[in-house]
Amino acid sequence: QKEVEQNSGPLSVPEGAIASLNCTYSDRGSQSFFWYRQYSGKSPELIMFIYSNGDKEDGRFTAQLNKASQYVSLLIRDSQPSDSATYLCAVRKAAGNKLTFGGGTRVLVKP
Amino acid sequence: GAGVSQSPRYKVTKRGQDVALRCDPISGHVSLYWYRQALGQGPEFLTYFNYEAQQDKSGLPNDRFSAERPEGSISTLTIQRTEQRDSAMYRCASSLLGDEQFFGPGTRLTVL
Repeated sequence: QKEVEQNSGPLSVPEGAIASLNCTYSDRGSQSFFWYRQYSGKSPELIMFIYSNGDKEDGRFTAQLNKASQYVSLLIRDSQPSDSATYLCAVRKAAGNKLTFGGGTRVLVKP
Repeated sequence: GAGVSQSPRYKVTKRGQDVALRCDPISGHVSLYWYRQALGQGPEFLTYFNYEAQQDKSGLPNDRFSAERPEGSISTLTIQRTEQRDSAMYRCASSLLGDEQFFGPGTRLTVL
């Protein structure tokens, strides 16, 4: 079992719809959770992070964390073609420690 | 301000040669991380530093890989006696105090 698992996709979403991405992790000691977006041929860029159970909203993005069930999700509202990218979930066990990444979910937003 | 920079951006070398990859973190960032990313996969941790101290090198594949950050700023990842399986994108990231990590553009290493 991988430490961080994501559906590889592609997740095809019509423009204007909500894209829902899921990520599960195996280590209950994980403390911080990050979502990165990576365009083809580019480096990962941080979208948002979440530390506490519940929802965290930032613009069109909402991260949801459920530590009891060991999953974290990302919702993208009003999806745009420019949101087409690979979304990477990353987990950190403690401050200053390494990030463990999932394999990423490829999202395609169709006009 | 300037982001994380890496050099060279592309490196082609022959099997058996040594390579040195450089990372210049965001100014003032305490932590510096090295990752390796294969095509179609997420980054895989190699090692990280707080200031000049190497805190965790558990991700280095074998003893051909080493890293240093002697003055707590620029870091070098060295791969000795390169092998074809070392071909990958090597990414550096930095963070202020172990929180959000910001990635550089990466160095694409190709071992022939």
